[in-house]
Amino acid sequence: DAGVIQSPRHEVTEMGQEVTLRCKPISGHDYLFWYRQTMMRGLELLIYFNNNVPIDDSGMPEDRFSAKMPNASFSTLKIQPSEPRDSAVYFCASSPGQGPSPLQNGEFFGPGTRLTVL
Amino acid sequence: GDSVTQMEGPVTLSEEAFLTINCTYTATGYPSLFWYVQYPGEGLQLLLKATKADDKGSNKGFEATYRKETTSFHLEKGSVQVSDSAVYFCALVDTGRRALTFGSGTRLQVQP
Repeated sequence: DAGVIQSPRHEVTEMGQEVTLRCKPISGHDYLFWYRQTMMRGLELLIYFNNNVPIDDSGMPEDRFSAKMPNASFSTLKIQPSEPRDSAVYFCASSPGQGPSPLQNGEFFGPGTRLTVL
Repeated sequence: GDSVTQMEGPVTLSEEAFLTINCTYTATGYPSLFWYVQYPGEGLQLLLKATKADDKGSNKGFEATYRKETTSFHLEKGSVQVSDSAVYFCALVDTGRRALTFGSGTRLQVQP
């Protein structure tokens, strides 16, 4: 299995520009998660989906952030407009959803996208 | 709500030393517990897990035992290697929840 795939791996943009991060989860996984990691705040859950439906977006910092999952094999995280404080590593993770305790297998993380907003 | 507390890092050890990274948790239900490892420039990888009290998770020489009475899940390894240098995250998923709660991470540096 190819694992969780994220693109791009690195993104450098200027303040005010739109940024789109992409994620392909592991085939057959029902849950998809977006995280942000910074030195100051550590690992933060932004939003997660179950069967392509957003379940909890309480971690999305502002209206500038939006996430979609149009189908089971693709998700995007968009920041518009971007700001320097959005600079971070953004991780996508997926998890199988079967059984009474679907997350007992944990989450499988992608390699991350390092975003720098100048 | 749920929370995970890890010991502050960095932890610096010499090769072949014994490792302990402390982790305690707060949860309202019956959580499953995990340790993840993040090597430089990479995403998090599941290291080991335990799904009920007194379970011991183990992998690559690392071990952790689910202690319900002390709400702890400390990570141990008998002899660390330079290649174990990474950031280690303790995490839980509580009954009825669908997302992991992570600790703040502990950086381990192993010197030759």
